[in-house]
Amino acid sequence: DQQVKQNSPSLSVQEGRISILNCDYTNSMFDYFLWYKKYPAEGPTFLISISSIKDKNEDGRFTVFLNKSAKHLSLHIVPSQPGDSAVYFCAASAFTGNQFYFGTGTSLTVIP
Amino acid sequence: NAGVTQTPKFRILKIGQSMTLQCAQDMNHNYMYWYRQDPGMGLKLIYYSVGAGITDKGEVPNGYNVSRSTTEDFPLRLELAAPSQTSVYFCASSAGVSSYNSPLHFGNGTRLTVT
Repeated sequence: DQQVKQNSPSLSVQEGRISILNCDYTNSMFDYFLWYKKYPAEGPTFLISISSIKDKNEDGRFTVFLNKSAKHLSLHIVPSQPGDSAVYFCAASAFTGNQFYFGTGTSLTVIP
Repeated sequence: NAGVTQTPKFRILKIGQSMTLQCAQDMNHNYMYWYRQDPGMGLKLIYYSVGAGITDKGEVPNGYNVSRSTTEDFPLRLELAAPSQTSVYFCASSAGVSSYNSPLHFGNGTRLTVT
């Protein structure tokens, strides 16, 4: 049972435009959400996170939005750069738990 | 600052062989995890540990064993390798007593093929 879902396997965006990656979750106990970026032949690297007490968190070109009522989060990248081309995973965990649950990933291609 | 180090990077096993995937971290993290990633799939948790001497099963533990004798090391043992264990294995660590503000730090993975 996939508790964290990324329904778009791939996304292509022109350089300079906004990239929006989406993620849905089913477990209402989740209260900490993260985005990871993964290049081929490397491990995932942490990008940005948000706790359930917030609905937005920004770090430079990256902003994560959380809609708890819809159990939905999104990652916005503005402006998109060719170096952002990678697979992006969202993940979630519950304060009372010890595990992180991952989505299946979205492959982002930024076209120069 | 090495972070999380996994060895080997690649390995080919024959069916029925066994091997140990090594993982070490130098961040003094209490929490360590083993994930596998299959093509087109997300990361599935195999086993995790919240401290030396303590391990617990994740979503897909069958066919694997772990031990945690030190804070730094968390080896993953495959007994009687099967083709279904062909995957990329990632080790990760985290500082958190709780999950807040304690993201996972990943190693670069071990690509395992069982034929």
